[in-house]
Amino acid sequence: QQPVQSPQAVILREGEDAVINCSSSKALYSVHWYRQKHGEAPVFLMILLKGGEQKGHEKISASFNEKKQQSSLYLTASQLSYSGTYFCGTEGGTSYGKLTFGQGTILTVHP
Amino acid sequence: NAGVTQTPKFQVLKTGQSMTLQCAQDMNHEYMSWYRQDPGMGLRLIHYSVGAGITDQGEVPNGYNVSRSTTEDFPLRLLSAAPSQTSVYFCASSEPGQGSNEQFFGPGTRLTVL
Repeated sequence: QQPVQSPQAVILREGEDAVINCSSSKALYSVHWYRQKHGEAPVFLMILLKGGEQKGHEKISASFNEKKQQSSLYLTASQLSYSGTYFCGTEGGTSYGKLTFGQGTILTVHP
Repeated sequence: NAGVTQTPKFQVLKTGQSMTLQCAQDMNHEYMSWYRQDPGMGLRLIHYSVGAGITDQGEVPNGYNVSRSTTEDFPLRLLSAAPSQTSVYFCASSEPGQGSNEQFFGPGTRLTVL
């Protein structure tokens, strides 16, 4: 089942903060976050593993609540380059290696 | 390294035609996947492979076939194209053995079925 992302869209001014949430109905092994610019392929930002290990981007942080099967992506002091669509991807249960993506959150940063 | 490459970049088909979307990676990754992306739907997994000779279905496999004869290549075949298959198709590879299943995506193929 597809994880649910919220909000669907966010509009910010440079320097503002944003939080994007990802919620799954199944037990998760990991949560991935990707950003996609218009007309381009998604690019990996971060992975959060069960047990708390985090690997990824230096300027963007995230959390993973294993009990609630939820993850949040935190973008602080946003820059124009942060604009794009953010997707979470989840791995869970016996489907290791198989990612299921959310529907995406469109982030727009204005000067 | 070229990473993940996909051909063609654009394709227009008529209903009922068949074609193969090509995907290759030069990173020696074991895992490869095909996704389709439609507006508002995110990325949906079509088929994936955990190694040469091993494939499995994803969320939306109907109308598509795959095979994996080598580690490098993972072609996606449309058997009889339908307008509902109009989409952007992304191929991705990953190597879970490196501690992360980070997906490396190809540039995509934009397919229109008339």
